[in-house]
Amino acid sequence: SQQGEEDPQALSIQEGENATMNCSYKTSINNLQWYRQNSGRGLVHLILIRSNEREKHSGRLRVTLDTSKKSSSLLITASRAADTASYFCATEWNFGNEKLTFGTGTRLTIIP
Amino acid sequence: GAGVSQSPSNKVTEKGKDVELRCDPISGHTALYWYRQSLGQGLEFLIYFQGNSAPDKSGLPSDRFSAERTGGSVSTLTIQRTQQEDSAVYLCASSSPGQETQYFGPGTRLLVL
Repeated sequence: SQQGEEDPQALSIQEGENATMNCSYKTSINNLQWYRQNSGRGLVHLILIRSNEREKHSGRLRVTLDTSKKSSSLLITASRAADTASYFCATEWNFGNEKLTFGTGTRLTIIP
Repeated sequence: GAGVSQSPSNKVTEKGKDVELRCDPISGHTALYWYRQSLGQGLEFLIYFQGNSAPDKSGLPSDRFSAERTGGSVSTLTIQRTQQEDSAVYLCASSSPGQETQYFGPGTRLLVL
């Protein structure tokens, strides 16, 4: 299976703290994306990092990619209650076919 | 502009019945994807349409599942003779040519009794 694995499966932190989630995958990729899902419904794209990039920032989000370890991390700084959601990494591994393979997700809870 | 829409939002059916789930992608998006998400799980790829090319059906779990996309826009996912294990949220996503980001609809929550 190409599926990625997120770690931890669940994370609870106090508002204002930083949250770090990790993703590991199995094969070479074209890019890796992070999505957020609220209340078990539609996913929202957060950030994309390409295989030749090592770090990317977007607002309070910081993503790193280590292709040698086949892993990525998502850091959310200064967390807010509204950040409570499930976070999924997704890998595009078949060039020319934009299929994404999603990980199992991290359930993040921000405690006010 | 309008995002991806799906209907119905919720569907309750009896085991053995057929169901049809609809997805309206974002206008101009040539790629359309169906995923299934069981409770507390990640997304499972089902089928992928790209323009006029033959669809990638490699994720369909059985021959009870089928999907079509008419006129390169609206797509319908059909599940025949539903089973209780088909209960899940079915998510549709679309993307525009050359764009790697997928835009998701709100999903259809299917419950098979």
